[in-house]
Amino acid sequence: EPEVTQTPSHQVTQMGQEVILRCVPISNHLYFYWYRQILGQKVEFLVSFYNNEISEKSEIFDDQFSVERPDGSNFTLKIRSTKLEDSAMYFCASRQVYYEQYFGPGTRLTVT
Amino acid sequence: QQQVKQSPQSLIVQKGGISIINCAYENTAFDYFPWYQQFPGKGPALLIAIRPDVSEKKEGRFTISFNKSAKQFSLHIMDSQPGDSATYFCAASMDSGNTPLVFGKGTRLSVIA
Repeated sequence: EPEVTQTPSHQVTQMGQEVILRCVPISNHLYFYWYRQILGQKVEFLVSFYNNEISEKSEIFDDQFSVERPDGSNFTLKIRSTKLEDSAMYFCASRQVYYEQYFGPGTRLTVT
Repeated sequence: QQQVKQSPQSLIVQKGGISIINCAYENTAFDYFPWYQQFPGKGPALLIAIRPDVSEKKEGRFTISFNKSAKQFSLHIMDSQPGDSATYFCAASMDSGNTPLVFGKGTRLSVIA
């Protein structure tokens, strides 16, 4: 069964450093998302991406964040200058056309 | 208005019992209501979903009940098993799922033998 994959599974970085989180969505899916989940809290939307551009973003997704689809398979989230409060699980999700979003296993980002 | 309110926060059920988790929403533009199951350290996994044209959907031991007039929907897990112990999130989105999911805060379910 096709699945969304994410790398790395765990990333530790120092405050102020740049990180890139990588995702490979399901191959025939057209819509891509990043969500985050601070430990013990609900899943929160960051950004959605369709047709090589951002279609919607939340207030969390400020100028420190960017997304890219550098080739036909990868979808990346970059945080330019990490802050302590960026520590969270980051989930990539993808969707074909309507409805169902499928989530990856997540990347645990720890900012020290 | 974008919130989805979920209760209870935690739930303990005996093996073989029925687990019931409730969610409520305000935005009548929501038209897609999925439930996700999450095990520790894993991503949310789509469990079952419903659209407002039906009042109930059943898949195996899992049933969603939907009350459009009350703007509420619930997940029922019949014959709950220890392997069902996980965190369950309800969610909602608009425009046939085109908009991002808005999640509830989650319910931690423990099924004890």
